[in-house]
Amino acid sequence: SQKIEQNSEALNIQEGKTATLTCNYTNYSPAYLQWYRQDPGRGPVFLLLIRENEKEKRKERLKVTFDTTLKQSLFHITASQPADSATYLCAPGDLNTDKLIFGTGTRLQVFP
Amino acid sequence: GAGVSQSPSNKVTEKGKDVELRCDPISGHTALYWYRQSLGQGLEFLIYFQGNSAPDKSGLPSDRFSAERTGGSVSTLTIQRTQQEDSAVYLCASSFIGTSENIQYFGAGTRLSVL
Repeated sequence: SQKIEQNSEALNIQEGKTATLTCNYTNYSPAYLQWYRQDPGRGPVFLLLIRENEKEKRKERLKVTFDTTLKQSLFHITASQPADSATYLCAPGDLNTDKLIFGTGTRLQVFP
Repeated sequence: GAGVSQSPSNKVTEKGKDVELRCDPISGHTALYWYRQSLGQGLEFLIYFQGNSAPDKSGLPSDRFSAERTGGSVSTLTIQRTQQEDSAVYLCASSFIGTSENIQYFGAGTRLSVL
């Protein structure tokens, strides 16, 4: 069955450093992959989408890569700030279904 | 409204009671999803509505769970004879299925506590 894996352990980094979060998938060939941010007590909020024919996508301090050979997406936040502290979810999707499969998320904590 | 609205935001009920959770999607969005998120866990897909098509109920955990979407807009998730393991946050999302990708917009969720 399809499986999406994200680091279950929290990632703690110092302000100003680059945070890198990993999303691995198995038994799946997604056409695109989305990343969402979730704050406590809130629903997830869409951040970025990357398609299978794109190696990299950037938005302000965010960068996402998509390696279909490794079956992996990396999510980078450069010059991280305490306000970036949240849980980040990846969600691969394909064009044959309108459903997304969400990973369990990785909690990022940026400390001053 | 501008976003997805869910009500109530919190619901405390006794084991064995029925509960109804409501979702108002973004106007014009054709697809509506219900998810369940237990403490510290990811999103568990429950059910999906798209236009006038039959809903995809493949994620409903038992026949105590049901959902309907009236007039292609508001949706209600009903849990009958609630159990303690039903305690979780129930999230609703809507999207516009008109492009090849499916960006979902979430409500803040309903936190259900079954005592």
